[in-house]
Parts: sequence; C-alpha cells; structure tokens
Amino acid sequence: NAGVTQTPKFQVLKTGQSMTLQCAQDMNHEYMSWYRQDPGMGLRLIHYSVGAGITDQGEVPNGYNVSRSTTEDFPLRLLSAAPSQTSVYFCASTLEYGDREAFFGQGTRLTVV
Amino acid sequence: RKEVEQDPGPFNVPEGATVAFNCTYSNSASQSFFWYRQDCRKEPKLLMSVYSSGNEDGRFTAQLNRASQYISLLIRDSKLSDSATYLCVVNLVGSARQLTFGSGTQLTVLP
Repeated sequence: NAGVTQTPKFQVLKTGQSMTLQCAQDMNHEYMSWYRQDPGMGLRLIHYSVGAGITDQGEVPNGYNVSRSTTEDFPLRLLSAAPSQTSVYFCASTLEYGDREAFFGQGTRLTVV
Repeated sequence: RKEVEQDPGPFNVPEGATVAFNCTYSNSASQSFFWYRQDCRKEPKLLMSVYSSGNEDGRFTAQLNRASQYISLLIRDSKLSDSATYLCVVNLVGSARQLTFGSGTQLTVLP
C-alpha cells in the first residue's frame, strides 16, 4: 500500500493563478481532510470529507474548493492564489470519522509570489 | 485563547537526558488525546495515544489530567533520533473538525 499520496511536493504560483493539489489514498478510508501548516500556528483544517460526495468546511476554507467524487481522491483547488496562501499543505485520511490515527501525505510546499 | 496550547520550545537537551512536554486544551468536552511526531519538513505521524490511566511505550510516557485539562509527554534516555517537533492533538467527539493540533514543541537532542 502506498498510503496517502500527495502531489506536487513543491509549487510556486503567481498571484491570481489557480491550481489543484492532488491527494489519493489506497487504504479505503472514509474520512479525508486538508490542512495547512504555518509557522507558530499548528495545522489548521481547511476542508474535510466524511465520504464520497460529502464535503464540508473546516477552520480556514476561504479561497479553497474541494470535491470527493471517489473514496480514493480528494483534490484541493486554489481558485485565485494569494500570498497569504503560501504555506505547507497536508492531506490526511483516517479509516472513519473519529478514528484516532490520521495518515498524512508528504506535504506540498506552496509559495505564492 | 488557542484550543490546544504547547510550549514551543525549543528544548535542547543532551543525549540521555529526560525531557517533559506539556500541553493544555480548552474544551472540557474533548474525548481523545494524542501525541504526534513531526520530523523537519516531513508529515506528522502518530507517536502514541494518551489515556486517563497513563500509558507507556518504551522510553515514552504519556499522562492525561482531565480535571486540569492537561496532557504531558515524558521522554527518558533521549536519543539523537528523538529530535523532532512533538504535536499535542485533541479529538472533540461530535466535532466535524475531528483533530485539533497544537503548534508543536521542538526538541533537539545534542550529542
């Protein structure tokens, strides 16, 4: 099993550009989520999904969209990149909602100039 | 007030030392508690869960005090490989947010 695969690992965008961060898991996990990690802030939840076709907002959803058409995939879309979105992004999955162990992807380091 | 607060450190300790990290959480309805480890520029990984009775995994001991809303992690006989950031994580059952992360405590074990 590959676990959680996240791409790309690094990305530089210009202000106003859009892009999609990809996340896929092969563990048949129901629950998937996206976090951003900024210095001194810890991981903050952007969006989450409790199953295919169901998504909801987390703590910092503005500027991001998600969809969950399959159990395996949970892409994160930046609609119009802003410098404030410069961060490290992590995708995570857990077997089910409330499960204790979250498995993370390797992260995407995004810089918006 | 942050929901989960940790001393950011850094903690610089010599090899073989004992080091303790503390964490407080604000929501008394929190139900599950964890310590995650994050190596530099890597993803977080579960280190251990924290139970009311306390639990131990080798050199690592975790404690929970629900009355004081306080979680601790003790590392004995520190190794160079223990150098990392340790994240305190709380799960509020019934909350859509699932896991709430502290900002982490950075540990460097020196030779």
